[in-house]
Amino acid sequence: GAGVSQSPRYKVAKRGQDVALRCDPISGHVSLFWYQQALGQGPEFLTYFQNEAQLDKSGLPSDRFFAERPEGSVSTLKIQRTQQEDSAVYLCASSLEQRSRVSQPQHFGDGTRLSIL
Amino acid sequence: SQKIEQNSEALNIQEGKTATLTCNYTNYSPAYLQWYRQDPGRGPVFLLLIRENEKEKRKERLKVTFDTTLKQSLFHITASQPADSATYLCASPFKTIFGAGTRLFVKA
Repeated sequence: GAGVSQSPRYKVAKRGQDVALRCDPISGHVSLFWYQQALGQGPEFLTYFQNEAQLDKSGLPSDRFFAERPEGSVSTLKIQRTQQEDSAVYLCASSLEQRSRVSQPQHFGDGTRLSIL
Repeated sequence: SQKIEQNSEALNIQEGKTATLTCNYTNYSPAYLQWYRQDPGRGPVFLLLIRENEKEKRKERLKVTFDTTLKQSLFHITASQPADSATYLCASPFKTIFGAGTRLFVKA
């Protein structure tokens, strides 16, 4: 497809379980971003990749959150020992050029809605 | 801390009127601001970017302004239509900061 694809669209897990969320960015896009969006709020930045390098992980809320993009394309966001406060929509976005090229728009996927019971 | 603030109250307007949404930034001076549209259950979609040295930017029925004195950007939709109903997000791309968004409802 032409857009950013995220899977699964919905994920329900019990507290304490580990989850993995996948993002397929637009082919050839250098930048990849992960965001967390709570209900009624804007996206909150989690982490940024330029190709395979994770250049910014300042938004990750705890060491239970881990992201990777080993070959510079598909990315996975992993949350270990999930807590109820992790329930949110997780959005992935990609951009053609590096983040410093701020004129470039971000192209978002439709997110994964994570519910922790 | 650096913040982008948008009016959290929903904006209700009649079809055909102009909708005006406000974005205020505090504790920093972004060189660029972006505006996105988000529909329920979907990811944000990029609409417009404006640079700090551009006072105004237009795209079809959309107009964005950037006032560095007031630390504010305004987003206008002229001749609004029910299909314009959505949440509109203001963002600072370099700092990767988004506002909470303003929900717009256009009544037929």
